Amino acid sequence: GEDVEQSLFLSVREGDSSVINCTYTDSSSTYLYWYKQEPGAGLQLLTYIFSNMDMKQDQRLTVLLNKKDKHLSLRIADTQTGDSAIYFCADRRGGNKLTFGTGTQLKVEL
Amino acid sequence: GAGVSQSPSNKVTEKGKDVELRCDPISGHTALYWYRQRLGQGLEFLIYFQGNSAPDKSGLPSDRFSAERTGESVSTLTIQRTQQEDSAVYLCASSQNFGGQGDGYTFGSGTRLTVV
Repeated sequence: GEDVEQSLFLSVREGDSSVINCTYTDSSSTYLYWYKQEPGAGLQLLTYIFSNMDMKQDQRLTVLLNKKDKHLSLRIADTQTGDSAIYFCADRRGGNKLTFGTGTQLKVEL
Repeated sequence: GAGVSQSPSNKVTEKGKDVELRCDPISGHTALYWYRQRLGQGLEFLIYFQGNSAPDKSGLPSDRFSAERTGESVSTLTIQRTQQEDSAVYLCASSQNFGGQGDGYTFGSGTRLTVV
C-alpha cells in the first residue's frame, strides 16, 4: 500500500515536549519530511531526514526515524503556543512526488 | 518569484459555473503539483507536472477537472460545472527536480473555493 498515517490530534501544555508520530508503508522511501500548516496558510517545510539516518536535530526539533518499523516521529521541545498547527509527514519514494499523511492537529494549552 | 503565488486567494462561485485557479511557481522550479484539502482533512493529490507535461494526473477526481501548464511557468486548474463537493482549499506547490536532494516542496497559500 501507499499509506502514510498519523494520529489526528495531540494536546500538550506550553513548555512540555510534543511528540508527533507517523507510520509509512513503503520501504523504498528515500526522504521523509515534516510540514507545518498554520490556520489559513499553506504548508511550510520544517525539516527532512534521509532514509539512511536515524536522527536529525534542528534547534527545538528532533526527528527520529526507525526504518525497520517504518516509523517517523517529530519531537518539539519546549512547545509554545505558536507551535499550534497541523503537522504533516510525507515520504518520497523516488521521483518527485511526495505522499502526505493525514495530518496531526497540535493544540498547545496554557 | 520569491515564493509560490496562487490566485485568487478566495473564490465563491455558484453551483454549475466554471472556475479557473492559477499558480505561479518559483522561478526555475521544473515540477509543479496541485493538491486539494477539504475542511478538516489531509491533502489529496490531484496532478503533477514536470515541465509542461503531466506524468501523473491520477488524482483528478472527474473529467470536470483539468489542468495545464505553460512551459516551466504558470499552471491553471480548471473546474467545470462546479459542485458543492468541490468546495475546498486548492494548494499548489513547486520543486526543483530532486535528484539527490531532500529539499521538498514549496507551497503556495492556496485558493479557498466555496461553491454555493
